[in-house]
Amino acid sequence: EAQVTQNPRYLITVTGKKLTVTCSQNMNHEYMSWYRQDPGLGLRQIYYSMNVEVTDKGDVPEGYKVSRKEKRNFPLILESPSPNQTSLYFCASSPSSNQPQHFGDGTRLSIL
Amino acid sequence: AQKITQTQPGMFVQEKEAVTLDCTYDTSDQSYGLFWYKQPSSGEMIFLIYQGSYDEQNATEGRYSLNFQKARKSANLVISASQLGDSAMYFCAMRGPTGGFKTIFGAGTRLFVKA
Repeated sequence: EAQVTQNPRYLITVTGKKLTVTCSQNMNHEYMSWYRQDPGLGLRQIYYSMNVEVTDKGDVPEGYKVSRKEKRNFPLILESPSPNQTSLYFCASSPSSNQPQHFGDGTRLSIL
Repeated sequence: AQKITQTQPGMFVQEKEAVTLDCTYDTSDQSYGLFWYKQPSSGEMIFLIYQGSYDEQNATEGRYSLNFQKARKSANLVISASQLGDSAMYFCAMRGPTGGFKTIFGAGTRLFVKA
């Protein structure tokens, strides 16, 4: 089954404790992206990647890191999480820029 | 800067009626793509319809159509014959070439379908 898989689905953690949210897609898509969703703000792009080793900042990259060492994986790293990063996070992938994105099921992060 | 505006935070529609969800965008790019996604209460993001900036025909996908007015920079979603299962959050999104794969979303419109 074609899918984008995020882990974990839910995480409650504390300020400053490094965490990684994994994202993997099995569709051989070139493009991958991370978003955060907050009430009233829609989805905001954090980082995106157009291919292996090619990443770029979205609108809200501060406090986040990404890497794309393999085509299928695009982990999101919070080196020192803070409460304002409490949000619902989505990973997405797409074969090209004019085709729709396939989204993962989301990861709800709570940072205390 | 690119921007997407969805001016209707919430809307009600009677079952079996048509409804239009508004989306206006701002970009200086000539080449861009417009997408609509649905997010039910279960939380997943579901792709509905796509319109390329150079497409001359309005996109249609089943009960969904996109009313694309390029000069007015609007890309409204029309849902015909609303069903109870259409109750959800709807997001308009734009992807443009200057940002590569950079994508911006509107704040969304919550649609309630009444029986």
